[in-house]
Amino acid sequence: QSALTQPASVSGSPGQSITISCTGTSSDVGSYNLVSWYQQHPGKAPKLMISEVSKRPSGVSNRFSGSKSGNTASLTISGLQSEDEADYYCCSYAGSSTFGVFGGGTKLTVL
Amino acid sequence: QVQLQESGPGLVKPSETLSLTCAVSGYSISSGYYWGWIRQPPGKGLEWIGSIYHSGSTYYNPSLKSRVTISVDTSKNQFSLKLSSVTAADTAVYYCARHLQWAFDYWGQGTLVTVSS
Repeated sequence: QSALTQPASVSGSPGQSITISCTGTSSDVGSYNLVSWYQQHPGKAPKLMISEVSKRPSGVSNRFSGSKSGNTASLTISGLQSEDEADYYCCSYAGSSTFGVFGGGTKLTVL
Repeated sequence: QVQLQESGPGLVKPSETLSLTCAVSGYSISSGYYWGWIRQPPGKGLEWIGSIYHSGSTYYNPSLKSRVTISVDTSKNQFSLKLSSVTAADTAVYYCARHLQWAFDYWGQGTLVTVSS
């Protein structure tokens, strides 16, 4: 069982917006602004999409945004495109004993 | 452009030690950042294994700590993973990656390691 909880799957139609949640605890997501999000296409390495809750690395589309409220972080993708269909993972720092934890992953389907 | 490349045996026998190396190009490990290992069992999610700072300080997943050793060789600009007493549950694609503030910005392509006799 993953330390961070994500929905197994989400779906949306092209042009729509979707949000993927990542629920942790007060020991990880709730305590640190060190949540990152990754996109992974089949057979490929993960790609960093969001760092430090809401920072978008250079080259990542501004259709991707991140936020956090309490123990839950969220990734929002606006203007869905077919190439957004992939698995998405969140990751959070969890303190100086546990260090880093990933979510179980969410499969995004673009209908 | 920062590039990372994993290398090592693709097949390891149960109870033996898995050894992988990550060669880094386009950036000197000595310049900073953390360097980590992440694995992904077939069809499953990502699991952080451990990381090493350029100074040699190491940080391990508590669930794997007793079996993991990560080391760095700055002269070769590479870092390595050793995982002892492997079982079939350790079968996975193993990735190396660079990170800072728990954001992994550059990843290797990954290498599949199968544990089987």
